[in-house]
Order: sequence, then C-alpha cells, then structure tokens
Amino acid sequence: AIRMTQSPSSFSASTGDRVTITCRASQTVGSFLSWFQQKPGKAPQLLISTASILQSGAPSRFSGSGSGTEFTLTISRLQSEDFATYYCQQYYTYPITFGQGTRLDIK
Amino acid sequence: EVQLVESGGGLVQPGGSLRLSCVESEFTSSTYWMNWVRQAPGKGLEWVANINQDGSEKTYVDSVKGRFTISRDNAKNSLYLQMNSLRAEDTAVYYCTRGSTFDIWGQGTMVTVSS
Repeated sequence: AIRMTQSPSSFSASTGDRVTITCRASQTVGSFLSWFQQKPGKAPQLLISTASILQSGAPSRFSGSGSGTEFTLTISRLQSEDFATYYCQQYYTYPITFGQGTRLDIK
Repeated sequence: EVQLVESGGGLVQPGGSLRLSCVESEFTSSTYWMNWVRQAPGKGLEWVANINQDGSEKTYVDSVKGRFTISRDNAKNSLYLQMNSLRAEDTAVYYCTRGSTFDIWGQGTMVTVSS
C-alpha cells in the first residue's frame, strides 16, 4: 500500500497567518491527490482534488500544488473557521490511503 | 443540495453482524462510484471499500476482505455495507462518500464492537 505521510502532525498558528502542510507519498500517485478538512464531530469535507483543483464552495484562500510524491496545501490567510484537522488522500491505486492528519490549532 | 444519510450502526458483540445503509437524496449516486470510509475513535480516516455504478466492480481494504460486502440498489438510491465476523478493531464511525473524489459525505454512523 502507498503510505501517505503528512508534516507536521500538529501545529499552532494565528488568524491571518499563511500556513503550509506537506504530504509525501511513498511512491508516485501522479496528481491523484485530494485534501480534506475535518472539524470535531463532523464528517470530512473535500477541499481540493487532483492535487490543485479547488472544490466548488471551498474558499479561495486554500490552494494545492505538487505531483508525483510531494504535495502541499496552503492556506493564504488563516480564518477562525480554518482551525481543524486536514488529511491528504491518494486515489491513484488501491488501497486508497489517507495521511495521518495534521491538526491545526489556534496559537 | 445532495445529501447522504447513513443508518444501521450500533453495539454488536465480537463475531456478530451489522448491515449499514446509505441513502442519497437527489438520485444522482447511480452515476457515481460509491465508497465506505471509517474512522476509529480519535484516529484518522481509513478507506474500507468501493463499488462501481452498476455494482459489477467492488474493491476492499485487506483488513475487511472476506468479512464485509459492499452492495448497492440504484432503484432505491441506496448503498449498503454488510459486516460479518466483526472485531473490536472494526469499532469506528462509518461514512459513505460519493465518487472517485469523495466529494459528498454522510454524517456517519457509529459501530461499536464490544462484549
């Protein structure tokens, strides 16, 4: 199975900050990479698919980049509603696998 | 707005069975692959299984092969997960999700396997 490793696993930031989360795949996944946001007690929500395509309804402050084995999720200016856990996911091959998650807390 | 609603979770003893259901509100799911994803308490997301539009292709994570069966009834706009020989490690919130990009998720249904 392809292992997805996110860094950092958790960190604190302030409203207005620019933050970047990295996701590395143990082998190439092409551009078959998505990012999800999950808030406590809620289902995950798709933010970005195909590495860089912003999901309809997702705020434009979110962006994704990368291909192959290294990907990033960037939030240009953190808003209060962005404090959540973020997961990357590869759907290039079976089994579909997720990263371990990155928890973003308020500093 | 498309919605997915899961049901069927509950408390079951090890070795027992449960059948989860997921109903879609807008009759669009028949044109999509559908998935089940689970999340153990305090843990990350794990893809469990998926099924193609007409039910002819099904794929499972190794840990559930031979125990879980995914199916669908497009006439009822419904997705199912039959779970047999349940183990403590199957305890999780189970979500149904739509499509190859998981663009729509249900609210989840909790499955607890415990004696």
